[in-house]
Amino acid sequence: EPEVTQTPSHQVTQMGQEVILRCVPISNHLYFYWYRQILGQKVEFLVSFYNNEISEKSEIFDDQFSVERPDGSNFTLKIRSTKLEDSAMYFCASSELGAQYGYTFGSGTRLTVV
Amino acid sequence: AQSVTQLGSHVSVSEGALVLLRCNYSSSVPPYLFWYVQYPNQGLQLLLKYTTGATLVKGINGFEAEFKKSETSFHLTKPSAHMSDAAEYFCAVSEPPLNTDKLIFGTGTRLQVFP
Repeated sequence: EPEVTQTPSHQVTQMGQEVILRCVPISNHLYFYWYRQILGQKVEFLVSFYNNEISEKSEIFDDQFSVERPDGSNFTLKIRSTKLEDSAMYFCASSELGAQYGYTFGSGTRLTVV
Repeated sequence: AQSVTQLGSHVSVSEGALVLLRCNYSSSVPPYLFWYVQYPNQGLQLLLKYTTGATLVKGINGFEAEFKKSETSFHLTKPSAHMSDAAEYFCAVSEPPLNTDKLIFGTGTRLQVFP
């Protein structure tokens, strides 16, 4: 079964550093998403991406965050200057035709900011 | 605004017993509803979804859920629990694509299954 692949599985970074979280969505999917889950809390929407542009973003997704689809296969989330509160599990997801068909999630990247 | 409430952060059942995980939602328009399961150290896997049509939907691993508009509920059930069902379960809601494409998740219910 096709999978969404995320790398790395775990990243530790110092506060103030830039991090890039990488995702390879399912090849025929057109819609891409990032969600995060702070330990012990609910899964939260960050951003959706379609047709090479952001289609929706949450209040969490401020100027410190950016997304990119650099080469037609990868989908990246960049955090420019990490804060302690950015520590969370970050999930990438993709969908062929949008939310009504359900997403396929990756297994996540655990980001720890120290 | 959309919201999802999952009653019970932890549910424990014996193997072979009925599983009932509760989910209530709030939405200004007829919603799309989903249940996802998360096994330890893994991502979220879609169990089942309701968009339109039949209100009783069947998913993978013997789970099913019923959309009850009058009760704004979408409870997840399984007649007979198996040890492998132990995981975290998330209910989620989305409004139709013209409004938004994001999912709003509940806080999750951790299911424990005892032998």
